[in-house]
Amino acid sequence: GNSVTQMEGPVTLSEEAFLTINCTYTATGYPSLFWYVQYPGEGLQLLLKATKADDKGSNKGFEATYRKETTSFHLEKGSVQVSDSAVYFCALSGPGGNTDKLIFGTGTRLQVFP
Amino acid sequence: DAGITQSPRYKITETGRQVTLMCHQTWSHSYMFWYRQDLGHGLRLIYYSAAADITDKGEVPDGYVVSRSKTENFPLTLESATRSQTSVYFCASSVSGETLYFGPGTRLTVT
Repeated sequence: GNSVTQMEGPVTLSEEAFLTINCTYTATGYPSLFWYVQYPGEGLQLLLKATKADDKGSNKGFEATYRKETTSFHLEKGSVQVSDSAVYFCALSGPGGNTDKLIFGTGTRLQVFP
Repeated sequence: DAGITQSPRYKITETGRQVTLMCHQTWSHSYMFWYRQDLGHGLRLIYYSAAADITDKGEVPDGYVVSRSKTENFPLTLESATRSQTSVYFCASSVSGETLYFGPGTRLTVT
């Protein structure tokens, strides 16, 4: 079945550093891919998404490109801020592109220090 | 206020008791979901609903019951709470099942 693997955290960075959080997936069909973010004490919210191969999702300075050849959807940001400290979840739509439910990775905690 | 709300936000209960977590959304979204969040497991789907009166099991449904008599409400009941059900529970809603809108969560402790 479909699955998502994320890099273990926490990722600890200084402000203005470059961020990469790795995400790889296993899927049948052509799923959509997502990054969700969870700020402390809150529910998850959609950060960005990509619906087909080579699409780039972007939002708030974050980017991720849907790479079918490497089955990856790595999250990047050129210059992180303290306010980016959160848990980031990679997700994909269900088997065979079923959009009834998403499958989430285990999350990667990002800590940014001034 | 518009959005998705959960109640209670915090709950402590004893093993064996029945407890119901409430979820209410004001967008008339067709889809609603219940997830639990545990360290090392990320989010795991408990139950979901594609429309009123339609529910289906997710990855970890055992010990939970749901109903959806109205589009806007999706309560989750733990029939006989166990310590392994101590977790943070998130409700979410969606138009299509892809972009989910999450509630603030309920932190449940079973003693």
